[in-house]
Amino acid sequence: DTGVSQDPRHKITKRGQNVTFRCDPISEHNRLYWYRQTLGQGPEFLTYFQNEAQLEKSRLLSDRFSAERPKGSFSTLEIQRTEQGDSAMYLCASSRYRGTDTQYFGPGTRLTVL
Amino acid sequence: AQKVTQAQTEISVVEKEDVTLDCVYETRDTTYYLFWYKQPPSGELVFLIRRNSFDEQNEISGRYSWNFQKSTSSFNFTITASQVVDSAVYFCALSEARGNEKLTFGTGTRLTIIP
Repeated sequence: DTGVSQDPRHKITKRGQNVTFRCDPISEHNRLYWYRQTLGQGPEFLTYFQNEAQLEKSRLLSDRFSAERPKGSFSTLEIQRTEQGDSAMYLCASSRYRGTDTQYFGPGTRLTVL
Repeated sequence: AQKVTQAQTEISVVEKEDVTLDCVYETRDTTYYLFWYKQPPSGELVFLIRRNSFDEQNEISGRYSWNFQKSTSSFNFTITASQVVDSAVYFCALSEARGNEKLTFGTGTRLTIIP
């Protein structure tokens, strides 16, 4: 059973540039979540999808952030006009929708904004 | 609003000692779920256990055990006979059963096992 995969694993960018991350969930999972984790903190919820529908967005997700899951499979998270405060680990998780099911996490994408 | 508190920021123990990681949570819901995840140096969060609010039975899995007490809103995690491979950051998390199941995490406890 293939786990959650994320690409790239590391991204270094200059302030003001746009970046896009990809997440491939476990194949039979129809829920997909994005979290952000800064140094020394626990992950914080950003948004989640059920199939292709984005059902909730955290107030942490500013207008510069956009997430999509166009075919209900993989998802992308784009950050426009990056700021140094966006430097963090971006984690993706997936789960089945069956009552409450466990979220399984990918390895994360570490973003460094210079 | 829900909240998870892990008051122990860092713990160091000598290998083979037992260690308990504390987790206290706050929620207004009567139905909720509690989780523990392990984050080794590689960075990937590894699922360890899930508990629902109606099941207060303690659980043991090998060297790991969990103590859930609703009366004190605690869900503590004990590792017996610790090993160097147990060195990691451990997160306690809470989700409310409202349909989205987003996780609220504590700030984590960094556990170092000294050989």
